[in-house]
Amino acid sequence: DAGITQSPRHKVTETGTPVTLRCHQTENHRYMYWYRQDPGHGLRLIHYSYGVKDTDKGEVSDGYSVSRSKTEDFLLTLESATSSQTSVYFCAISDFTGGDGYTFGSGTRLTVV
Amino acid sequence: KQEVTQIPAALSVPEGENLVLNCSFTDSAIYNLQWFRQDPGKGLTSLLLIQSSQREQTSGRLNASLDKSSGRSTLYIAASQPGDSATYLCAVYNNNDMRFGAGTRLTVKP
Repeated sequence: DAGITQSPRHKVTETGTPVTLRCHQTENHRYMYWYRQDPGHGLRLIHYSYGVKDTDKGEVSDGYSVSRSKTEDFLLTLESATSSQTSVYFCAISDFTGGDGYTFGSGTRLTVV
Repeated sequence: KQEVTQIPAALSVPEGENLVLNCSFTDSAIYNLQWFRQDPGKGLTSLLLIQSSQREQTSGRLNASLDKSSGRSTLYIAASQPGDSATYLCAVYNNNDMRFGAGTRLTVKP
């Protein structure tokens, strides 16, 4: 899917455990984004990155952290998962500050029990 | 804060009909607008990207228009097919912030 993969595709975890989701791209795009998609809320931005080690918060960043040590990888970590973080998580990439549009990964379905 | 609204929320049409999906946004200061398709349980597939300086884009049976001053975009689908059944999302982008509408769920009946 245009050189962007997310792992794992599905995950079930217990409340209070740490969880890390991975987004990997082969497009050498500068910008990477993490979104969550929930019924009634649509897609909401969690964090984004505009370069290696350069990240910023989005609309719903509380409870999440990110890291980008290489251009190709953008990690999303839930330090202590809660049931409210049950969602579908999407990674997206763009080249020139979004001017060429976004490309999305296939998503990770996370269930916190 | 940019708000994006899509109307209708759901639409059911018989195969072969031409149809229009609507998207409106509150802040006209956008860099571009993108239409996506999402199949159940899948990711988002980009359909059309319209830059703020453009009025429309076409791809096959799809045509998207943009009226930035009035905060509106439409996605026109010609000769609809059952394979067009999906949720269609519009998103507007400015300053590293892409805002999405809630989507229109389209069903095309054979």
